[in-house]
Amino acid sequence: AQKVTQAQTEISVVEKEDVTLDCVYETRDTTYYLFWYKQPPSGELVFLIRRNSFDEQNEISGRYSWNFQKSTSSFNFTITASQVVDSAVYFCALRNTDKLIFGTGTRLQVFP
Amino acid sequence: KAGVTQTPRYLIKTRGQQVTLSCSPISGHRSVSWYQQTPGQGLQFLFEYFSETQRNKGNFPGRFSGRQFSNSRSEMNVSTLELGDSALYLCASSLGRGPDTQYFGPGTRLTVL
Repeated sequence: AQKVTQAQTEISVVEKEDVTLDCVYETRDTTYYLFWYKQPPSGELVFLIRRNSFDEQNEISGRYSWNFQKSTSSFNFTITASQVVDSAVYFCALRNTDKLIFGTGTRLQVFP
Repeated sequence: KAGVTQTPRYLIKTRGQQVTLSCSPISGHRSVSWYQQTPGQGLQFLFEYFSETQRNKGNFPGRFSGRQFSNSRSEMNVSTLELGDSALYLCASSLGRGPDTQYFGPGTRLTVL
């Protein structure tokens, strides 16, 4: 079975704090694709990053960084020096051959 | 490049009615997928269309159907609406070549009374 687990339902931080959103996945496929999307209150899912199973390099993009570890089936997302504009629901997703399988999302609230 | 557009953005219907939602993909994208988002079930895959053909289908009743036109625009139809169909319906487009990245539209929020 394919599954994505985001155990953190909601996280609240104060601006400038660092925050890590956890994502654990299950799949039997040897080749798979992982994604993070952000959903602000407007509702649109905004693509953040894609990672292929054969590329375990971690990635940094500005204040965002991602830690992909196949050994623990995790694909965690860290926001450094969080800002109020980062407040949103963040979804981790696993892509198999035909569809995206989403986790339940983590609601991040960043307070000024 | 313009993003994925969905119309209408909001809809209110009553039980038993039917509804049609529309999605225009990013220019050059040939695949359109539909997802339903509810507080209880989260984000669930409905179906995917590629080159006017349904390529994949999720686990939804036959009341949910869709189609894709030659310009890659897609419509989704729900017949005999039920209260539980109230949801945010999201459309995503991609190039359609393998497991490529899907880009989402703003969604249509459907309320069934």
